Amino acid sequence: QSVLTQPPSVSGAPGQRVTISCTGSSSNIGAGYDVHWYQQLPGTAPKLLIYGYINRPSGVPDRFSGSESGTSASLAITGLQTEDEADYYCQSYDSSLSGWVFGGGTKLTVL
Amino acid sequence: EVQLVESGGGLVQPGGSLRLSCAASGFTVSSNYMSWVRQAPGKGLEWVSTIFSVGDTFYSDSVKGRFTISRDNSKNTLYLQMNSLRAEDTAVYYCATSTYYFSSGSYQYFFDYWGQGTLVTVSS
Repeated sequence: QSVLTQPPSVSGAPGQRVTISCTGSSSNIGAGYDVHWYQQLPGTAPKLLIYGYINRPSGVPDRFSGSESGTSASLAITGLQTEDEADYYCQSYDSSLSGWVFGGGTKLTVL
Repeated sequence: EVQLVESGGGLVQPGGSLRLSCAASGFTVSSNYMSWVRQAPGKGLEWVSTIFSVGDTFYSDSVKGRFTISRDNSKNTLYLQMNSLRAEDTAVYYCATSTYYFSSGSYQYFFDYWGQGTLVTVSS
């Protein structure tokens, strides 16, 4: 059971928009710890996608965007492409656990 | 260009030990925050350990007392010494650089560059 809760899977057709939620609690997101997002393509290492809720590292397409709301965060992907099929993870810090935590991951399928 | 190359994984019996290495290039390990993150087969990501540039170390509860993170500045290499290994330690272990900034009254950390990972299998 992950401290940060993500839906196990989401899907969408090419060109559509999907969102992935990440729900935390008062000891992590609600305590002011930012959320960061990672993309893991099949068989590869994770890659930083969004940091500080909304910031994209150089090279990440602007089709990827993040947002925050209370004790939750969301990742939105617009103009879905087949190469977006991957696992997506949110990450934050938890003060109760005194450590960094990840969501359980969401598998994105592009139909 | 930042590069991280892990090595040292393999098959080990329960109760055994293993030392993972992460050779870095394109930056100085001792000047950065460095972490280990693992992923059990078919499972999600789990933070394992972090070392700050000043030498402070942090561990998840699942490995505290059994794993030790360290670095060799002369070799620009990060290590993870793993003792008393258990079946549940079976995973791909990734090393990653950790970047931080200050926001909302707290330091915020994320993992920006990752190695390709090394597989550790604990089994008899």
